[in-house]
Amino acid sequence: NAGVTQTPKFQVLKTGQSMTLQCAQDMNHNSMYWYRQDPGMGLRLIYYSASEGTTDKGEVPNGYNVSRLNKREFSLRLESAAPSQTSVYFCASSELALNTGELFFGEGSRLTVL
Amino acid sequence: KQEVTQIPAALSVPEGENLVLNCSFTDSAIYNLQWFRQDPGKGLTSLLLIQSSQREQTSGRLNASLDKSSGRSTLYIAASQPGDSATYLCASVNFNKFYFGSGTKLNVKP
Repeated sequence: NAGVTQTPKFQVLKTGQSMTLQCAQDMNHNSMYWYRQDPGMGLRLIYYSASEGTTDKGEVPNGYNVSRLNKREFSLRLESAAPSQTSVYFCASSELALNTGELFFGEGSRLTVL
Repeated sequence: KQEVTQIPAALSVPEGENLVLNCSFTDSAIYNLQWFRQDPGKGLTSLLLIQSSQREQTSGRLNASLDKSSGRSTLYIAASQPGDSATYLCASVNFNKFYFGSGTKLNVKP
C-alpha cells in the first residue's frame, strides 16, 4: 500500500526555472493538499483541493499553481522559481466527508533554488 | 482562524521517563485532532487521531486525550526510549482545513 507518493524527492533549480512536483494517492481520498515546511515557520498550506475539479488557495499561494488532474493526482507547479521557494514540500490527502478525516503525508520533496 | 500551540518547543528526558506533550487550540469546533511524528529529513507519520466525540485514543505506549471545552490535547508517552526521539506535531481539523502546531522536539537520552 503506497499511500501518498511524491516525485521528485530532491531537486535543484536555478532562479527563474520552472518545475512541477507530482503527487499521487491510492486511498481514494477526495481531498489533497500541498504544504511547505521551513525551519521556524512550521507547516504552511499552499493550495488544496477539496474534491476532483476544485482547487483553493491556502496561506502562501503566491508563485505557485496547482492542477487536480484526477482524483488520484494533484500537482504543484513553480513557474519561475525564486530562492525564497527553497523549502521542503509535502503533499497530503484526507477523506473528511466519508471517513475520520485522517491526514496522510508523502515523504516530501526537497527543493533548492539557487 | 484556529491557532494551535505546542509547548514546550523542545524537551529532553532520560530514557524510561513517562512524559506528556501538550497541544492547545483556540476554537473548540474541531472535527478531529491528530498527532504526528516527524523524524529528521522525513515526512509526517500519523500516530493517533481523536474524533471530536471521543476523549482519548491509545496505541501501544502512546495515549492521546482531547478536552474540547478547555481547548487542549495531550500526548502521553510511557516508558520513553531513545527511538522516540523525534518532533511531534498536533493538528486540528476545523471546517475542512487542517491547522498545525509548530511541534515539540523530543530528545530521549540513553
